[in-house]
Amino acid sequence: GQNIDQPTEMTATEGAIVQINCTYQTSGFNGLFWYQQHAGEAPTFLSYNVLDGLEEKGRFSSFLSRSKGYSYLLLKELQMKDSASYLCAVRDNPGGYNKLIFGAGTRLAVHP
Amino acid sequence: ETGVTQSPTHLIKTRGQQVTLRCSSQSGHNTVSWYQQALGQGPQFIFQYYREEENGRGNFPPRFSGLQFPNYSSELNVNALELDDSALYLCASSSMSRDRGPNEQFFGPGTRLTVL
Repeated sequence: GQNIDQPTEMTATEGAIVQINCTYQTSGFNGLFWYQQHAGEAPTFLSYNVLDGLEEKGRFSSFLSRSKGYSYLLLKELQMKDSASYLCAVRDNPGGYNKLIFGAGTRLAVHP
Repeated sequence: ETGVTQSPTHLIKTRGQQVTLRCSSQSGHNTVSWYQQALGQGPQFIFQYYREEENGRGNFPPRFSGLQFPNYSSELNVNALELDDSALYLCASSSMSRDRGPNEQFFGPGTRLTVL
């Protein structure tokens, strides 16, 4: 089966650091993506990992361990505008096409 | 903005009706994927179109069907609407490529469908 788990909700303080974890069990793996989604809006691409290790992109970093089926998204210097849902998605490639398998998302609330 | 557009923005239908949702992909992209996102959930893959043919399908019944046109735009059709079809429908465009880059999917703003 396909299973992607992430916490439902998290809260953090403006200026702080927050880590959002994601564990996955999927039949295939062709990369892991993190998307940000503000309420009522489309998901927007944040990061991509296909090899083990840390990818850094400004205030956002993402880590992957394929052997553990684990990823995290690290957000530094939190801003109020970072309040959103964060979606972890595994790309599978069954039969030659790419599809994204999403977790339910983690709603992050940033407080002053 | 991603350059992916969808219409309409919102739609209200009743059970048993049929609906058509439209998506224009980003320039240079040849692949369109459709997702259903229920409230409080992550998007669920419906199907993907590449070169005007269905390229892959998720766990959705046949009353969910689609089309892709020569300009790579796409339609999602849902027949015999059910209450549980109420959701945000997202289309995402990407480029089918052997490039080793992420080839990420770029999402449109979605169509909010309410079935009464």
